[in-house]
Amino acid sequence: DTGVSQDPRHKITKRGQNVTFRCDPISEHNRLYWYRQTLGQGPEFLTYFQNEAQLEKSRLLSDRFSAERPKGSFSTLEIQRTEQGDSAMYLCASSVNSGAEAFFGQGTRLTVV
Amino acid sequence: AQKVTQAQTEISVVEKEDVTLDCVYETRDTTYYLFWYKQPPSGELVFLIRRNSFDEQNEISGRYSWNFQKSTSSFNFTITASQVVDSAVYFCALSAISGYSTLTFGKGTMLLVSP
Repeated sequence: DTGVSQDPRHKITKRGQNVTFRCDPISEHNRLYWYRQTLGQGPEFLTYFQNEAQLEKSRLLSDRFSAERPKGSFSTLEIQRTEQGDSAMYLCASSVNSGAEAFFGQGTRLTVV
Repeated sequence: AQKVTQAQTEISVVEKEDVTLDCVYETRDTTYYLFWYKQPPSGELVFLIRRNSFDEQNEISGRYSWNFQKSTSSFNFTITASQVVDSAVYFCALSAISGYSTLTFGKGTMLLVSP
């Protein structure tokens, strides 16, 4: 399968715990995006990587959130000290260049209890 | 700032009916891209179309067609002869042509097609 893959698909965690999600983009895509989607809403941009460089972060990305893309390949999104408000679908997308369509993974659904 | 408005929260139709999903956008950019994505119950966003603001020609792809009107800042999506498999949430989105191309999404329209 050559699409965007995300792992895990579902994560249930207790409030206060740390969680980490992984995204593997389409191999030739140098642009990688993270979005968050809550129930009944459209996806909201969190952060953007071009190769290994994190070039943009949304104000939605609080200090508890950190993302990396070592070597410009896969990316990880970590949430520290999770809160109930972090419960959402976290979507990863990749694209080949500016303005090109972004291809999305199936997302990681996080539930904080 | 960019904004996308999808005023229809949910639409229900019977199979074979035609249905139009509305999308209105706001942007200060003179050039931009518009997109439609489909999100079935599985959760993955599926790309449907990208339209450059330079190109106002309508587009048809099978049962799908798109009507882009720059004068009214609208990019509407019509499904002809709807099928049960079209049931999904549909998102309209906007991005700048230059820069990081992050997408600004509307809230989506849930389409329910019943047999």
